[in-house]
Amino acid sequence: GAVVSQHPSWVICKSGTSVKIECRSLDFQATTMFWYRQFPKQSLMLMATSNEGSKATYEQGVEKDKFLINHASLTLSTLTVTSAHPEDSSFYICSARKQLANTGELFFGEGSRLTVL
Amino acid sequence: AQSVTQLGSHVSVSEGALVLLRCNYSSSVPPYLFWYVQYPNQGLQLLLKYTTGATLVKGINGFEAEFKKSETSFHLTKPSAHMSDAAEYFCAVLLSGTYKYIFGTGTRLKVLA
Repeated sequence: GAVVSQHPSWVICKSGTSVKIECRSLDFQATTMFWYRQFPKQSLMLMATSNEGSKATYEQGVEKDKFLINHASLTLSTLTVTSAHPEDSSFYICSARKQLANTGELFFGEGSRLTVL
Repeated sequence: AQSVTQLGSHVSVSEGALVLLRCNYSSSVPPYLFWYVQYPNQGLQLLLKYTTGATLVKGINGFEAEFKKSETSFHLTKPSAHMSDAAEYFCAVLLSGTYKYIFGTGTRLKVLA
């Protein structure tokens, strides 16, 4: 149990277009989901915390109008990169916390690689 | 403030040799500590975690880690490296009062035949 799936795994888009990445918890309800960005050969940088039914909380320095996050249900959060530019190319990873769990453990998706041409 | 430091961005070991990946933490409260593994172009998979209780924690794939409060360390070990262990390993601490992780910078493990 505790599977988190991201879609798409790979996406290539033209500069100026918007791209949506989905994060789904397949076999559990996720009160909270987190979105990370990972640059090549670097660690994960937390972008935002997504709570079901409320606005996402963004980390300092992350443009909320650039990276739109929606958490419409307990099993789905989406990250939309708006007006993408080459510098937005990165590996985006989501993680989810089980509802009512207090172990601190998060479950990670397999990541989505975005390439903006 | 809580933080995690991983010493050594790259570690190479021979197949069958001991694996030791170092992680030191800084925390004013009892920490929750995690080790994750990441294979190329994939997400993170939990290897093991320490929350409370026994300080020697056993994880998947033969890995284990020991929480040493006096040394503020949570080093990851495996007695005998396998080629399939080659990956990026991240140590993380749970930010107190939240579900946010603070990740270390990662250690890339290379296993030599």
